[in-house]
Amino acid sequence: DVKVTQSSRYLVKRTGEKVFLECVQDMDHENMFWYRQDPGLGLRLIYFSYDVKMKEKGDIPEGYSVSREKKERFSLILESASTNQTSMYLCASSLSTIGYTFGSGTRLTVV
Amino acid sequence: GDSVTQMEGPVTLSEEAFLTINCTYTATGYPSLFWYVQYPGEGLQLLLKATKADDKGSNKGFEATYRKETTSFHLEKGSVQVSDSAVYFCALSGSRDYKLSFGAGTTVTVRA
Repeated sequence: DVKVTQSSRYLVKRTGEKVFLECVQDMDHENMFWYRQDPGLGLRLIYFSYDVKMKEKGDIPEGYSVSREKKERFSLILESASTNQTSMYLCASSLSTIGYTFGSGTRLTVV
Repeated sequence: GDSVTQMEGPVTLSEEAFLTINCTYTATGYPSLFWYVQYPGEGLQLLLKATKADDKGSNKGFEATYRKETTSFHLEKGSVQVSDSAVYFCALSGSRDYKLSFGAGTTVTVRA
């Protein structure tokens, strides 16, 4: 089975800190995605990548950036964390729309 | 742009009751449609999918039919169990890319 691993289940960071969320997949998928999940809003796409060193903005990229130096790893970066970025962050990978696999999520709290 | 609207919750049912969660979509072209499920403390898992009109997706007793004429993909299960308690998300993928657009999610609680 494809596995998508997010490095932390829970994180607490201070306002203004630079935060790195890491995601690694083990099945050679080209496509990787970062979503945030908030109650009543569902999942919203932050950034995605279809290939190494390639990135595209999703629906809510403001305040975030990403890095994809290797095919298996897709990092989400909060340049200067703010309290409105407190959320559940979900990483996913796929070969196509049919094969989306999600990680278990990172619950980030910014204080 | 593409969007998904699903029934608001929360939904509370007794075991063996019938479950329906409504989902409608707006999209250009011919999207693929999905239901994902999120159990407590876990990430999302694909529950079922349909890639063209009139397709029926099914898994674990759940079913949904892709209705192009009503732009709908309602999820149904005839007899729910306590273990079906979860958050259910309807999603679509446009015909031109691999991005998924999600509904807001419906929390379902099944009581014994």
